[in-house]
Amino acid sequence: AQKITQTQPGMFVQEKEAVTLDCTYDTSDPSYGLFWYKQPSSGEMIFLIYQGSYDQQNATEGRYSLNFQKARKSANLVISASQLGDSAMYFCAMRGPPGSGYNKLIFGAGTRLAVHP
Amino acid sequence: ETGVTQTPRHLVMGMTNKKSLKCEQHLGHNAMYWYKQSAKKPLELMFVYSLEERVENNSVPSRFSPECPNSSHLFLHLHTLQPEDSALYLCASSQEPSGSYNEQFFGPGTRLTVL
Repeated sequence: AQKITQTQPGMFVQEKEAVTLDCTYDTSDPSYGLFWYKQPSSGEMIFLIYQGSYDQQNATEGRYSLNFQKARKSANLVISASQLGDSAMYFCAMRGPPGSGYNKLIFGAGTRLAVHP
Repeated sequence: ETGVTQTPRHLVMGMTNKKSLKCEQHLGHNAMYWYKQSAKKPLELMFVYSLEERVENNSVPSRFSPECPNSSHLFLHLHTLQPEDSALYLCASSQEPSGSYNEQFFGPGTRLTVL
């Protein structure tokens, strides 16, 4: 069975510094995808970044990068130059092999990030 | 309207009431999802509709009844709920099947309180 583990219930970072949010996963499928979502207090889940299991390079999207270590089954999110607006819940999620007819995501418990001025 | 919209944003209901949550996606997607987000619990997938057919139902109690009249609209009908059903209910959509991946786009959620 697929499983996502986020061991940090809460993190804080000083504005303009970098922060790493941890995510480990477990799956027996050779093909899978890993996602990070941000959930501000408004409730909406905002897609941040994606990493495919066969991607050779770590994904990057602006200030977000994914530190993908396949052998260790970890997919940590790195946020560089933190901003006050980055304060939110962050969820790591995984989907199984593509083409299964629908996009079933398994979510971790989330990490609450607080950015301090 | 753009993206995924949900109404109402907040709902308070008694255990004997009947209410419905509405979700609408304006992205041309063909799959829609209902999730439940309770305090201190991971997001739980409740229902999946792909091409307007229910393809997954994760053992959700029958007091929750989904309806997908077309690929743009999804409803969650509620009746005789329990206080433990109080949660944030999130709707999402995606384009399936996908050769690679497609992220799910989420709505803002309905905050439900059952008294």
